Amino acid sequence: EDQVTQSPEALRLQEGESSSLNCSYTVSGLRGLFWYRQDPGKGPEFLFTLYSAGEEKEKERLKATLTKKESFLHITAPKPEDSATYLCAVTLKGGSYIPTFGRGTSLIVHP
Amino acid sequence: ETGVTQTPRHLVMGMTNKKSLKCEQHLGHNAMYWYKQSAKKPLELMFVYNFKEQTENNSVPSRFSPECPNSSHLFLHLHTLQPEDSALYLCASGGEGVRYTFGSGTRLTVV
Repeated sequence: EDQVTQSPEALRLQEGESSSLNCSYTVSGLRGLFWYRQDPGKGPEFLFTLYSAGEEKEKERLKATLTKKESFLHITAPKPEDSATYLCAVTLKGGSYIPTFGRGTSLIVHP
Repeated sequence: ETGVTQTPRHLVMGMTNKKSLKCEQHLGHNAMYWYKQSAKKPLELMFVYNFKEQTENNSVPSRFSPECPNSSHLFLHLHTLQPEDSALYLCASGGEGVRYTFGSGTRLTVV
């Protein structure tokens, strides 16, 4: 069973159509939750780190939020260049600092 | 360029070949990692090196052999691979309290 579950697996949006991606985790004692963006044929690129419930981070059209059980990546008025796979990962308190990754959400934004 | 460079970007090899993947980072990070990324699966951690010492081997078959001559360079030696080993192999650098930085990956095809 995955410790980190991302949904939906794939998402198609029209340009300008806002939506959210979900990352839920079953582990307790969260140290940090990370969001990465991955373009086809490339390595993941860091977006955000969140540490505590209620925390929010923003970057351009992206906003990441964190609760005690899940994180959302909100995409406001997306553009075609936002098309990518978005990966979520977590690290645990008292455990390894090496993150556990989810399977990702593949986002396609149509012009 | 992310600061982590992987070569080659693409590699096609036969099952009896021997080849090596190379990773180089100049970010001053103490830890380096090899990951395997297959379609529809989470990133799979393969090996971890801290200060040139291997600290984790995630039950990886012996046909994959890592080498870390110094804290800036990491190799993955490949021999007698199977078709199911075809994947994107990612190198990352980081450490405790340090954000992961990934390379662009090597797309490996075993024929």
